Amino acid sequence: VQLVESGGDLVQPGESLRLSCAASGFSFSSYWMSWVRQAPGKGLEWVANIKQDGGDRNYVHSVKGRFTISRDNAKNSLYLQMNSLRAEDTAVYYCASSPRLRGSFRIWGQGTMVTVSS
Amino acid sequence: SYLLTQPPSVSVAPGQTATITCGGNFIGSKTVHWYQQRPGQAPLVVVYDDRDRPSGIPERFSGSNSGNTATLTISRVEAGDEADYYCQVWDSSSDHVVFGGGTKLTVL
Repeated sequence: VQLVESGGDLVQPGESLRLSCAASGFSFSSYWMSWVRQAPGKGLEWVANIKQDGGDRNYVHSVKGRFTISRDNAKNSLYLQMNSLRAEDTAVYYCASSPRLRGSFRIWGQGTMVTVSS
Repeated sequence: SYLLTQPPSVSVAPGQTATITCGGNFIGSKTVHWYQQRPGQAPLVVVYDDRDRPSGIPERFSGSNSGNTATLTISRVEAGDEADYYCQVWDSSSDHVVFGGGTKLTVL
């Protein structure tokens, strides 16, 4: 049972980046999936989530209109398309799974680092 | 948006009981989850649905939730419990997941 993130990189302000999260060992299509980030030395911040069938998505206000969460259940994969990146988006990005909307995040990835700097 | 308030730090001697609070408006009407995060590691759920423990989490970890405060209690604290702890809820009024600011537990 694991989640593995990839795609983190150093980018300049205004650029785009796409994160991926590969799931294995559990029924990916049965879980709500989220992206949670953690800026260096700071606490956890939820970024976005997506329903099992992709029909419902929610975003934190600071990324709405810039980030897009998506999933491909056939590939057991979760994605985060990040556009117009800002310095304040610099963080470790985790993907995490929850059995229901109000449920806890039971499975977490190891995280991927995104650095936005000129 | 909904706000969860945690004390920045809690210190306790080994063998004693640590109490970490999570304050929020009518949080007792919400479902609270607690995570432990050690340095350099991903978070790990230690209490879910206010008071349930995942398999593998010691019975020393317990939770409660009522009124405007949810509480994580760690009994017989060990050196290995030293970590950051976060509370989390789903806020239906904003359709947001909300985390508390985190509490650093120091074992003296």
